[in-house]
Amino acid sequence: GAVVSQHPSWVICKSGTSVKIECRSLDFQATTMFWYRQFPKQSLMLMATSNEGSKATYEQGVEKDKFLINHASLTLSTLTVTSAHPEDSSFYICSASLAGSSPLHFGNGTRLTVT
Amino acid sequence: GENVEQHPSTLSVQEGDSAVIKCTYSDSASNYFPWYKQELGKRPQLIIDIRSNVGEKKDQRIAVTLNKTAKHFSLHITETQPEDSAVYFCAAIYGNKLVFGAGTILRVKS
Repeated sequence: GAVVSQHPSWVICKSGTSVKIECRSLDFQATTMFWYRQFPKQSLMLMATSNEGSKATYEQGVEKDKFLINHASLTLSTLTVTSAHPEDSSFYICSASLAGSSPLHFGNGTRLTVT
Repeated sequence: GENVEQHPSTLSVQEGDSAVIKCTYSDSASNYFPWYKQELGKRPQLIIDIRSNVGEKKDQRIAVTLNKTAKHFSLHITETQPEDSAVYFCAAIYGNKLVFGAGTILRVKS
């Protein structure tokens, strides 16, 4: 149980274009999902907390107009990287937890490369 | 602030030896401390976790200890095997957010 599916697993896009990443909880409902970014040989850095039916909460230094988060249902959150630039190239991972418990379950991650 | 310090950044051990990774956190209200193992290009996998109402937890070759007074917790891996080689992350809960340490690259030499 507690499976989180993330799509796509990798994407290459041109500078200036937008990319959408989907995160789904397959066998549970997630009122809250978390988006992390991981640069090579670094740790996971929380970008934002996605709340179903309300606005996302962004961490300091993360541009909300650049990283658009939508959490329209209890099983789906999306992250759109708008006007992507090479410095946005990274590993993006979503996660969710069962309501009322702490363990985070991670998606497989999306490797974004901006050329 | 929300901070988790992790040491060492790299650790090399001989197969069969023990490995210890240590983390400290800053908020005494934190009550949940998981450890994740991440292999190259893959998602983090939860290997063990501990809550603030216990001081130690063990699962086969892996154990975690927690010292709430000192605000630090440690991962212990005994009888290390080459397949234990990976990056290990500690984490602590701040509110509803999970904050990660910088990671430890563990290399088990056979």
